[in-house]
Amino acid sequence: GDSVTQMEGPVTLSEEAFLTINCTYTATGYPSLFWYVQYPGEGLQLLLKATKADDKGSNKGFEATYRKETTSFHLEKGSVQVSDSAVYFCALEGGSQGNLIFGKGTKLSVKP
Amino acid sequence: DTEVTQTPKHLVMGMTNKKSLKCEQHMGHRAMYWYKQKAKKPPELMFVYSYEKLSINESVPSRFSPECPNSSLLNLHLHALQPEDSALYLCASSDDRVLALTDTQYFGPGTRLTVL
Repeated sequence: GDSVTQMEGPVTLSEEAFLTINCTYTATGYPSLFWYVQYPGEGLQLLLKATKADDKGSNKGFEATYRKETTSFHLEKGSVQVSDSAVYFCALEGGSQGNLIFGKGTKLSVKP
Repeated sequence: DTEVTQTPKHLVMGMTNKKSLKCEQHMGHRAMYWYKQKAKKPPELMFVYSYEKLSINESVPSRFSPECPNSSLLNLHLHALQPEDSALYLCASSDDRVLALTDTQYFGPGTRLTVL
């Protein structure tokens, strides 16, 4: 069945460092792909999405490109801030009923 | 406005209590969802309503009873819960699951439930 694999965390970075969180997927067809962020004690917020191959989603300095050839949707940010500390979930909309299928989440901690 | 609201923010209940969680959206979305999230885990889908009808029940125990009184409102009625049901309960909504099978889901802040 459809699935999402994210890099294991936690990831600890210094402020202004470059961030990459790897995400690969297995799916039939070409599902929409998402990154959600969950700040401590809060619900999930949509960070960005891409609906077809080669689409680039971007928001708040974060970017991810839908790569069909490598079945990947890696999240990147050029310069992280302390306020980016959160758990990041990669997800695809797939399965037989088009539900969201989440990766396990990657916790990011940014130190000043 | 992409806001989904949930009340209460926190809830503590005993195993014999009956309580309800409420979710509301005013984006005109026709699909609404309940998820359960345990600590350090991704959300797990519980129920999906599409056009106010239950379309997906992911084999959730009957002590959880969803209700969709209208297109803007979604409730989750709780009765005779177990301590292992303690979790963050998230509501989400999306535009239309009929005309567009894939659609972006917007989440509320969640209700943190503790069952004693």
